Amino acid sequence: SQQGEEDPQALSIQEGENATMNCSYKTSINNLQWYRQNSGRGLVHLILIRSNEREKHSGRLRVTLDTSKKSSSLLITASRAADTASYFCATDVDSSYKLIFGSGTRLLVRP
Amino acid sequence: DSGVTQTPKHLITATGQRVTLRCSPRSGDLSVYWYQQSLDQGLQFLIQYYNGEERAKGNILERFSAQQFPDLHSELNLSSLELGDSALYFCASSPGGAPYQPQHFGDGTRLSIL
Repeated sequence: SQQGEEDPQALSIQEGENATMNCSYKTSINNLQWYRQNSGRGLVHLILIRSNEREKHSGRLRVTLDTSKKSSSLLITASRAADTASYFCATDVDSSYKLIFGSGTRLLVRP
Repeated sequence: DSGVTQTPKHLITATGQRVTLRCSPRSGDLSVYWYQQSLDQGLQFLIQYYNGEERAKGNILERFSAQQFPDLHSELNLSSLELGDSALYFCASSPGGAPYQPQHFGDGTRLSIL
């Protein structure tokens, strides 16, 4: 079963709008990462947030982490058509070396 | 370009057959990961190798096996193929293999079982 579940499953917005997608997970984590996947391509790492961090920024990306609610959100500001992709959260848990990916959010940014 | 190379890009074969997928990690990366992505199962972690040794195992079937060679390239062998094995298979690499290190993905091998 998936450790992370993204919400919504799909999101369609206009270029220039902000996009917010959420990730919920089940067990305590060490770190949480967000990846982007363009259609038919491999995943690309976007940002990592550690379990003791609450917020992190990278360019137009803002990630928050609430360990009490076991959830994270990814905000993309001033979206562009090139942001159209699927976005996945990934968590590593305890002493495991595994990285567990969520089910993903498909984002469509309309020009 | 992630620096991770996967071959072949596409593979079409029949049930019961055996195939080998190949991955060359980014230069300097010691750890290789294999994932399976399908519509119904999502992105599933299969196995991780670090410097030639198996480090972590996920939902990898007994019909599947992998290895990492001294030159650090890796191969994923899939045997007795079934229709349900049709999927995208990704290889990723990272420098040291710790889960907090970003993984760099290849563009995958699309496997179609007829």
